[in-house]
Amino acid sequence: KAGVTQTPRYLIKTRGQQVTLSCSPISGHRSVSWYQQTPGQGLQFLFEYFSETQRNKGNFPGRFSGRQFSNSRSEMNVSTLELGDSALYLCASSWDSNGEQYFGPGTRLTVT
Amino acid sequence: QKEVEQDPGPLSVPEGAIVSLNCTYSNSAFQYFMWYRQYSRKGPELLMYTYSSGNKEDGRFTAQVDKSSKYISLFIRDSQPSDSATYLCAMSLKTGANNLFFGTGTRLTVIP
Repeated sequence: KAGVTQTPRYLIKTRGQQVTLSCSPISGHRSVSWYQQTPGQGLQFLFEYFSETQRNKGNFPGRFSGRQFSNSRSEMNVSTLELGDSALYLCASSWDSNGEQYFGPGTRLTVT
Repeated sequence: QKEVEQDPGPLSVPEGAIVSLNCTYSNSAFQYFMWYRQYSRKGPELLMYTYSSGNKEDGRFTAQVDKSSKYISLFIRDSQPSDSATYLCAMSLKTGANNLFFGTGTRLTVIP
């Protein structure tokens, strides 16, 4: 069974731009969560989508948004990029809401 | 104070040693406990998943949860150089909440 895939793997953007990241969950998994990983803050939860609805949200500004499609694929958008948004963005999928999540390889975003 | 505390290490051990990794937490509502392994420039890989106090064994890995002390551990027996990675503990509050709270990670090096 294929794992979680994320595209693109690497991205370089300029301050003020916006970016969209994509995640395809493991086949059959209905929940997709997004995390930000930085050396200073570690892994922090952004939000979770389940059956196309945002079910949980972390403590991030409204510039961070997401959505989930009917096939469970998910996208994350960051608008008005700031230097501090440079991070590894990880997507994780789960069959349901039991916390057993499987991560993708991540998208490394660099904001210059 | 962070909700999940983990000694960042780094930790260096000789090949064949028993490794002990630990996390403490402050929120008694945490119910699900996980250990992830993350290799450099990769996404976290789920190693162990438990939801009750006690021990769970999988090959060379044993996860231990002590809810009364708010303390979880991961033991690695007969450590191998391929075990060299960052180990992250994670926990979630309840079913229906796929937002994981992570420790900062412990960087482990197993020396041949």
